[in-house]
Amino acid sequence: KAGVTQTPRYLIKTRGQQVTLSCSPISGHRSVSWYQQTPGQGLQFLFEYFSETQRNKGNFPGRFSGRQFSNSRSEMNVSTLELGDSALYLCASRGLLTDTQYFGPGTRLTVL
Amino acid sequence: AQSVTQLDSQVPVFEEAPVELRCNYSSSVSVYLFWYVQYPNQGLQLLLKYLSGSTLVKGINGFEAEFNKSQTSFHLRKPSVHISDTAEYFCAVSEQNSGYALNFGKGTSLLVTP
Repeated sequence: KAGVTQTPRYLIKTRGQQVTLSCSPISGHRSVSWYQQTPGQGLQFLFEYFSETQRNKGNFPGRFSGRQFSNSRSEMNVSTLELGDSALYLCASRGLLTDTQYFGPGTRLTVL
Repeated sequence: AQSVTQLDSQVPVFEEAPVELRCNYSSSVSVYLFWYVQYPNQGLQLLLKYLSGSTLVKGINGFEAEFNKSQTSFHLRKPSVHISDTAEYFCAVSEQNSGYALNFGKGTSLLVTP
């Protein structure tokens, strides 16, 4: 089975812009979660989507949003980018009846 | 609220020596426990997990971990490390019946030298 894929792998944006990141889960997985990884804060949970519905949300401002499509692919959007949004954004997928999340390689976002 | 503490931010060790990476957690409910490894410029790879049953769990690449409920610990061990084990290791916890969000420790950087 192919693993979790994330596109693009690298992005450079400037402050005030918005960005959309994409995640394709493992085939058959219907849950997708997003995490932000920074040197200062470490790995933090952003949100989880299951069957196109947001089921859980971390403690991030409303500038961070996401959605999931009927094929389970998910997108994450960050509006009005700030320098502090520079991070590695990781997507993880989970199959039904399992508590194990499998991570993609991440998208490295740099905000200038 | 739950929290995860990885007691060592860096662990230097010589090749073929044993290693233990420590993880403690706090939670008012039952939890699932995980160890992930991250190599430079890559995502997270699952090493092993404890969901229920035997408290000693074996994972990939010769790693194992023991769940100790009374001490709320989930330490990761390997009897003999290789240069290729150099990486960042993360302990993570999710609360049972409370969603699947993972709460991660700050990570332990394992540096294996010849």
